[in-house]
Amino acid sequence: NAGVTQTPKFQVLKTGQSMTLQCAQDMNHEYMSWYRQDPGMGLRLIHYSVGAGITDQGEVPNGYNVSRSTTEDFPLRLLSAAPSQTSVYFCASAGTGNTEAFFGQGTRLTVV
Amino acid sequence: KQEVTQIPAALSVPEGENLVLNCSFTDSAIYNLQWFRQDPGKGLTSLLLIQSSQREQTSGRLNASLDKSSGRSTLYIAASQPGDSATYLCAVDTGANSKLTFGKGITLSVRP
Repeated sequence: NAGVTQTPKFQVLKTGQSMTLQCAQDMNHEYMSWYRQDPGMGLRLIHYSVGAGITDQGEVPNGYNVSRSTTEDFPLRLLSAAPSQTSVYFCASAGTGNTEAFFGQGTRLTVV
Repeated sequence: KQEVTQIPAALSVPEGENLVLNCSFTDSAIYNLQWFRQDPGKGLTSLLLIQSSQREQTSGRLNASLDKSSGRSTLYIAASQPGDSATYLCAVDTGANSKLTFGKGITLSVRP
């Protein structure tokens, strides 16, 4: 089982560029979410989804866009990258029924 | 707003010690609490999930307890080893939809 797969692992962007961080899970989980991890701030929720076609904002959604057209995939789009978006991004998934969350290996993004 | 605190931020112990890592949260209306391990540059690995109706969970040398009324959880590591060196994060789910609120983690170093 691959679990939660994130691509790319590393990315450098110039300010103003756009890109999509990919996340796929093969566990048929309904819940998927995106977090960013910054030194001294811990992990903070960006966006989440409770099923295909349903998304909602988390704690720090500005500058990010998501959609969920299938159960398996939950891409995160940076519309116009800013240096403040330099971070490590993690995607997570979980099944319904009060179950544990599984995390991908992360994408380390640098915006210059 | 739920807040999760882990103190201290870092801990260094000699090999063989039994450890207690603490986690506190401000809103006792949680569905579950999860402990994770994170190695440098890696993703999060789930260690234990405690549902709100449970008092503790055990896996090998790890035991996690939950006291909802006081807003506390502890992770007990028996007979610590250098391989236990990592950052330990706790996270609470207050919405039963896997939207997690994380503490900032405790970085553990076990000296040979």
